[in-house]
Amino acid sequence: SQQGEEDPQALSIQEGENATMNCSYKTSINNLQWYRQNSGRGLVHLILIRSNEREKHSGRLRVTLDTSKKSSSLLITASRAADTASYFCATANFGNEKLTFGTGTRLTIIP
Amino acid sequence: DAGITQSPRHKVTETGTPVTLRCHQTENHRYMYWYRQDPGHGLRLIHYSYGVKDTDKGEVSDGYSVSRSKTEDFLLTLESATSSQTSVYFCAISGTSGRSGAEQYFGPGTRLTVT
Repeated sequence: SQQGEEDPQALSIQEGENATMNCSYKTSINNLQWYRQNSGRGLVHLILIRSNEREKHSGRLRVTLDTSKKSSSLLITASRAADTASYFCATANFGNEKLTFGTGTRLTIIP
Repeated sequence: DAGITQSPRHKVTETGTPVTLRCHQTENHRYMYWYRQDPGHGLRLIHYSYGVKDTDKGEVSDGYSVSRSKTEDFLLTLESATSSQTSVYFCAISGTSGRSGAEQYFGPGTRLTVT
């Protein structure tokens, strides 16, 4: 069963706009990660946020984590055509090297 | 792709035949994983390895076996392929020991079609 569920399943925005996608999960976690997957390629790690962190930034990416609501959000600012991809959240439990992935959000940036 | 290769990249096989997929890494990472990706299901863990000859089952392990005789190679075997095993298979690695849930690095994937 999936631990993380992304919302929305698909999102289309104009280039230059901000894109926000959300992830909800069910059990306590050690950390939550976001990955990007371009069509026909493997996943690429974007950012990791630990359970004791509330917000993290990396370039145009901003991730928030609310452990009380068991949810996270990924914000991509000033979107570019190259951001078109699927985005997945993945959760890690304590004492466990395994990740559990959500079903992903398909983001399309319209030039 | 963080020094990870998968072979073959594409394979078409018939129901009932054995199939072995290979994952090779040059990063000397301790952990290796096999996932399958299907529409509507995201990535699901099949098996993983935490060292040479040390493996464990994932969420969807039925019908699959794995072996790791060297740090750099992790093999996934479908003993008797079925149409339900048509999927895209990804290998991943992570290397940080002593810390739970480290980031993973993925290979390019193998598209397997079972007819």
